[in-house]
Amino acid sequence: AQSVTQPDIHITVSEGASLELRCNYSYGATPYLFWYVQSPGQGLQLLLKYFSGDTLVQGIKGFEAEFKRSQSSFNLRKPSVLWSDAAEYFCAVGAAGGSYIPTFGRGTSLIVHP
Amino acid sequence: NAGVTQTPKFRILKIGQSMTLQCAQDMNHNYMYWYRQDPGMGLKLIYYSVGAGITDKGEVPNGYNVSRSTTEYFPLRLELAAPSQTSVYFCASSYEGSYEQYFGPGTRLTVT
Repeated sequence: AQSVTQPDIHITVSEGASLELRCNYSYGATPYLFWYVQSPGQGLQLLLKYFSGDTLVQGIKGFEAEFKRSQSSFNLRKPSVLWSDAAEYFCAVGAAGGSYIPTFGRGTSLIVHP
Repeated sequence: NAGVTQTPKFRILKIGQSMTLQCAQDMNHNYMYWYRQDPGMGLKLIYYSVGAGITDKGEVPNGYNVSRSTTEYFPLRLELAAPSQTSVYFCASSYEGSYEQYFGPGTRLTVT
């Protein structure tokens, strides 16, 4: 079965600084990988996804993520964080040909100082 | 196109009461899911459905029931509410064969 680890519970950055949120997964074959964002009081919204092909994927709101098979990682990045990016971020993994029920990480809370 | 809608947004229940959380989607998605979210614990899958008339248990089904009579609706029933069911509940849906989920805005439930 697949699993996801988000090692950082909280990340604090200053507005305008770069950001990297870590995600490590455990799965034997090539996984399907996702990042979701949850703004306060809202549901989750898909930021980006990786199924196959180019390992650097672009998402909405200026985010990108890179799939690194050798490190079993799918880290989320943004070059310059906005105050409005403060939210909870969830990494999720799915197994190709599986039950189509993704496994979610516990989330990383992003705090942005103005 | 409203996406996934949930009602109510907030609810306070007394211990032992029952209620139904409503979920609807207008995207003709076959798959629907119920999650609960507790602080620092991520999302826990309660029940899911792969189509009308087909439901199955997730990770934390105890104390809950679901039904799916149509593609659009997937209500979650709480019987005999307990304080441990205090949580935020999210409904989600997806296309058949896709892991990409669309989430509703959530229902914040407090049981006292």
